[in-house]
Amino acid sequence: NAGVMQNPRHLVRRRGQEARLRCSPMKGHSHVYWYRQLPEEGLKFMVYLQKENIIDESGMPKERFSAEFPKEGPSILRIQQVVRGDSAAYFCASSPQGLQGAGSYGYTFGSGTRLTVV
Amino acid sequence: DQQVKQNSPSLSVQEGRISILNCDYTNSMFDYFLWYKKYPAEGPTFLISISSIKDKNEDGRFTVFLNKSAKHLSLHIVPSQPGDSAVYFCAASRNDDMRFGAGTRLTVKP
Repeated sequence: NAGVMQNPRHLVRRRGQEARLRCSPMKGHSHVYWYRQLPEEGLKFMVYLQKENIIDESGMPKERFSAEFPKEGPSILRIQQVVRGDSAAYFCASSPQGLQGAGSYGYTFGSGTRLTVV
Repeated sequence: DQQVKQNSPSLSVQEGRISILNCDYTNSMFDYFLWYKKYPAEGPTFLISISSIKDKNEDGRFTVFLNKSAKHLSLHIVPSQPGDSAVYFCAASRNDDMRFGAGTRLTVKP
């Protein structure tokens, strides 16, 4: 009965490398959300995906960042050519239906991936 | 754009007393308001929510109050326990958009 699984928990990358963050939603959940938490700041929405579809990517930087949620396998958040400003905690959340249904009970978050760019 | 604001970065209360965490929002179109609790090195966990058509929702020691005219909500924890020490995030949602505040770190002293 696993919850939302994120891996790795910690990721260290040198400037210019690529970072890949994985998120497996809860069983039965088909909606995935990625959030970023910068130090001393709240959770910033990045992208909302359903299987094989990006529903809303309005919070994602236009360059270097991409996300996918394939038919099989986990959702992937990819950051190319990382810079120091990308250092943050990245949280994934899932819900069994869209936010309109989740508004009353929220959705389930993973434990996050802490990305450090050196 | 900070549509959801938590103006107090930290709050310290004595065990057994009431903790009141506050949150303000700017968008009157939000239809649900939620509180999440976060421990270090863990993801946020859902605590309690309230629909925009209500002004109060209670769940055990936790009560959320909504004042739509003031665009303000608060979370009351009574009585506070040391295990409540965590960062509390306020969130507001409409359709597929959920916005979070910056969080308030609550410390409950024994």
